[in-house]
Amino acid sequence: GAVVSQHPSWVICKSGTSVKIECRSLDFQATTMFWYRQFPKQSLMLMATSNEGSKATYEQGVEKDKFLINHASLTLSTLTVTSAHPEDSSFYICSGRGRGSTDTQYFGPGTRLTVL
Amino acid sequence: AQSVAQPEDQVNVAEGNPLTVKCTYSVSGNPYLFWYVQYPNRGLQFLLKYITGDNLVKGSYGFEAEFNKSQTSFHLKKPSALVSDSALYFCAVRGDILTGGGNKLTFGTGTQLKVEL
Repeated sequence: GAVVSQHPSWVICKSGTSVKIECRSLDFQATTMFWYRQFPKQSLMLMATSNEGSKATYEQGVEKDKFLINHASLTLSTLTVTSAHPEDSSFYICSGRGRGSTDTQYFGPGTRLTVL
Repeated sequence: AQSVAQPEDQVNVAEGNPLTVKCTYSVSGNPYLFWYVQYPNRGLQFLLKYITGDNLVKGSYGFEAEFNKSQTSFHLKKPSALVSDSALYFCAVRGDILTGGGNKLTFGTGTQLKVEL
């Protein structure tokens, strides 16, 4: 299957700082990218959907000014957690999907964010 | 609204025995169905999908799943389980955009598979 990478794989930061997470599709063009958040022993919660070159569409309850998403190219999307607080600590997973309507969504390995 | 139910939080099976992880779904129009596996502290790995065609879909690592439209189910199966299959399994559904479905995958709550010697 196709490969999606995420960087960093884990990050620890102080409260009030901002953290940027990169998501790259390595061997396909991800027309659409998705950002999820996963709490321990729970399912994935979709945060936002972004199409290349367009503004992201955020799910209800997700603060767009806190979780900034940029999808500047067909192989790169970034999630910036601004002014992070301990409650933002979580496992963040991105995924990418190609142009076809039946294309599979491929997931990155995830980023573990810990805010002290 | 689309939804996925995975009725079992955990499934235990002995190595070498067949395994089944259950999934039922609800979606508008034709369903696109997926199974993913997640190992600890890792992202999701794609196992298999059903879009159209044969109801029995074969995927990675010897897994297969059977689409049953009348029962709206897409159970994951493997004839002979391995200890290394122990992981968290997610079923997901997306509607066919052309028949009124959405763009987003909806996941079940996950089923922890434990394969023991």
